[in-house]
Amino acid sequence: KAGVTQTPRYLIKTRGQQVTLSCSPISGHRSVSWYQQTPGQGLQFLFEYFSETQRNKGNFPGRFSGRQFSNSRSEMNVSTLELGDSALYLCASSGGLAGATYDTQYFGPGTRLTVL
Amino acid sequence: AQSVSQHNHHVILSEAASLELGCNYSYGGTVNLFWYVQYPGQHLQLLLKYFSGDPLVKGIKGFEAEFIKSKFSFNLRKPSVQWSDTAEYFCAVTRYGGATNKLIFGTGTLLAVQP
Repeated sequence: KAGVTQTPRYLIKTRGQQVTLSCSPISGHRSVSWYQQTPGQGLQFLFEYFSETQRNKGNFPGRFSGRQFSNSRSEMNVSTLELGDSALYLCASSGGLAGATYDTQYFGPGTRLTVL
Repeated sequence: AQSVSQHNHHVILSEAASLELGCNYSYGGTVNLFWYVQYPGQHLQLLLKYFSGDPLVKGIKGFEAEFIKSKFSFNLRKPSVQWSDTAEYFCAVTRYGGATNKLIFGTGTLLAVQP
């Protein structure tokens, strides 16, 4: 099975712009989660989608949003970029069975976003 | 709120030395526990996981971890490290039976193995 794929792998944007990142989960997986990784804050949960519905959301401002499509692919969007949004954005997929018991997340390579 | 603590931020070992990385979590209920590894330039990979049953779990590449419920700990061990084990190691938890897959990560431990 192919792993989780993320596009693009690298992005450079300027403050005030917006950006859209894409994630394709492992075939058959229905849950997609997004995480932000920075040297200062480590790995922080952004949100999780299951069957096109947001199942959980982390403590990030409303500038961060996401969605999931019927084929389980997911996108996240960051509007009005700030310098502090520079980070590695990771996508993870899992089977996503209801209740999430025994579920394991598998991570993609990430998108490295640099905000100038 | 749930949290995960990894006490060692940087660890330097020589090849063949034994490794133990500490991980403690705070949550009153039942949890699922994970160790992930991030090799230089690579993505996060699952090393091992614990859901239930035998508290001593074995993972890939000779790693193992022991869940001690009374200590809220899930320490990672390897009897003899290799240079190729140089990486950053993350402990993570999710709520058992929760309606979400949200992973809470520790801050990570950077392991450098000297040849």
